[in-house]
Amino acid sequence: EVQVVESGGGLVQPGRSLRLSCSTSGFNIADYTVGWFRQAPGRGPEWLGFIRVTAFGATAEYAASVKGRFTISRDDSRNIASLQMNSLEIEDTGVYYCTREALVGRFGVVYVNSFDIWGQGTTVTVSS
Amino acid sequence: DIQMTQSPSAMSASVGDRVTITCRASQDIGTSLAWFKQKPGNVPRRLIHASSSLQGGVSLSFSGSGSGTEFTLTINSVQPEDSATYYCLQHYTYPWTFGQGTKVDIQ
Repeated sequence: EVQVVESGGGLVQPGRSLRLSCSTSGFNIADYTVGWFRQAPGRGPEWLGFIRVTAFGATAEYAASVKGRFTISRDDSRNIASLQMNSLEIEDTGVYYCTREALVGRFGVVYVNSFDIWGQGTTVTVSS
Repeated sequence: DIQMTQSPSAMSASVGDRVTITCRASQDIGTSLAWFKQKPGNVPRRLIHASSSLQGGVSLSFSGSGSGTEFTLTINSVQPEDSATYYCLQHYTYPWTFGQGTKVDIQ
């Protein structure tokens, strides 16, 4: 079964750090860009960033709201992507999701499976 | 950043009605657009990708169309289980951006 499972959320004070994990199964994570999203209470989803495949340097792009504070990484050998969140703010409270994005292979970059698999998310609460 | 303007923000429909939701992009995004359905407390579920390709397992009552800056999600013969909030997402240029959402209430 193709799935992703997010973990690592919790209650944290403003200014502190938290590291989220995205465990994948049923597909080869190494072939995919992996993205992170979040959803604050009562609001729509928000894209946070993605990390490219290792063949493209595993470089990442970020939303302006988290750039410089959040870092996405990947460990394809363990089928995991991570989101390191530093200098957390109250506005970072929400449910965090990961998903696969672009499929990168010999046919180029393909979006046929993009955003099709979401885990249940992990809840991050930033509060003093 | 590309702005996605989604309309209406909320609507009410009766069982069997046709529902149409629109997303307008602030610049040309080709067909790099997906539609999602989300029920309260649930995870977003992809309905449509590449503007018009139906996700496997999704009811054939859903369809998507459009390219460039104007996109439409249509639900033919809406059912009670279609009551949810619907979002569009552009992934043409990062940062990917969502529409504000359309809350559909089925009477």
